[in-house]
Amino acid sequence: SQELEQSPQSLIVQEGKNLTINCTSSKTLYGLYWYKQKYGEGLIFLMMLQKGGEEKSHEKITAKLDEKKQQSSLHITASQPSHAGIYLCGADIYAGGTSYGKLTFGQGTILTVHP
Amino acid sequence: DGGITQSPKYLFRKEGQNVTLSCEQNLNHDAMYWYRQDPGQGLRLIYYSQIVNDFQKGDIAEGYSVSREKKESFPLTVTSAQKNPTAFYLCASSNTGFLGYTFGSGTRLTVV
Repeated sequence: SQELEQSPQSLIVQEGKNLTINCTSSKTLYGLYWYKQKYGEGLIFLMMLQKGGEEKSHEKITAKLDEKKQQSSLHITASQPSHAGIYLCGADIYAGGTSYGKLTFGQGTILTVHP
Repeated sequence: DGGITQSPKYLFRKEGQNVTLSCEQNLNHDAMYWYRQDPGQGLRLIYYSQIVNDFQKGDIAEGYSVSREKKESFPLTVTSAQKNPTAFYLCASSNTGFLGYTFGSGTRLTVV
């Protein structure tokens, strides 16, 4: 099984609707990073979460990390066509007090927003 | 403007040939990474380097090789030993201790 599971694998919503993408790790995380990708392009860094219970927001996107630091959610409020793309979570797996210095990625969630 | 450049964007090669993908950054980042992306599988780590003249294997290093002779450059060679080389390859860089990577725009390699 995957070390990092994302759900759902794809999501189709109507413009204006809220949505949530989940990312679950089988191991404790040192940090959790969210990225967005347009098809055929590189990834753009969105946010990083490191502390248990931490929540960050940027424009209409909010990300949370649970207290146990094994699960994160990305929530988009009032979605717009510009939110469409692939969302990926990247996990910096806990290595006994420090980081391994590399990210393990989930499979990605393909988001389609219909006008 | 600082950034990370991958070239070429599209690459076609015949089966059995080695091919080298270029990755250059002018962000003064210490660490550089190569990932492979296949449909439905997210990104998988091939090799990474946290300092010049040193690099480590990732999860799928077999059939690939890298070098890190300069801080700015981290080329990836896809050898003929790689059984399924057709994929989208992404290079990234970061500062030590912060993994908010800066990604290149990717190279799509097709082996025929």
